[in-house]
Amino acid sequence: AQKITQTQPGMFVQEKEAVTLDCTYDTSDQSYGLFWYKQPSSGEMIFLIYQGSYDEQNATEGRYSLNFQKARKSANLVISASQLGDSAMYFCAMREHVVNTGNQFYFGTGTSLTVIP
Amino acid sequence: SQTIHQWPATLVQPVGSPLSLECTVEGTSNPNLYWYRQAAGRGLQLLFYSVGIGQISSEVPQNLSASRPQDRQFILSSKKLLLSDSGFYLCAWTGRGSDTQYFGPGTRLTVL
Repeated sequence: AQKITQTQPGMFVQEKEAVTLDCTYDTSDQSYGLFWYKQPSSGEMIFLIYQGSYDEQNATEGRYSLNFQKARKSANLVISASQLGDSAMYFCAMREHVVNTGNQFYFGTGTSLTVIP
Repeated sequence: SQTIHQWPATLVQPVGSPLSLECTVEGTSNPNLYWYRQAAGRGLQLLFYSVGIGQISSEVPQNLSASRPQDRQFILSSKKLLLSDSGFYLCAWTGRGSDTQYFGPGTRLTVL
């Protein structure tokens, strides 16, 4: 089974509107971490936001928030007030701890977001 | 503050030629280091990770190898490149006890 599933290959949003990018994950660990990264056309992976599995509050970083629903195993990214510079690929990722090998990271296939002026 | 460097930024190599990509991290000690490959329009595939000097774990069988000769240096190598080695190679690090991976700027490799 896929560890990270992003079901939206492409999304469009009007400038200044909010958009939600979906992410579901699969783990049997009690302790894990969830991440979102932005990859513009330049290729660099930019860390956006982190949510620990024990965090009760949804993580927020400026215009980014992570809608964490533990029972549903979802970790959707919400971008508020979209800007043209938000156009990029967005990747959801998860950190699990594997005995004897340490932390393992898994990435989804990404969602391409286009912000329309 | 911590910084991660990768070079070269772009590389075009013929099939059968050797490869050496370098990644260095500044501003931290004992990082965990990772090499990923991203094929065009795809997600990230973990190739190697290292928890210390000389300690390398490989995730997939392949034409590539990795080495960590110094604490903050991670090298990706190949003796003979294949066409399928083309892609975008990203190096990443995490601090001890930290969850978050930070990525370098990447190397775009084209094998012709």
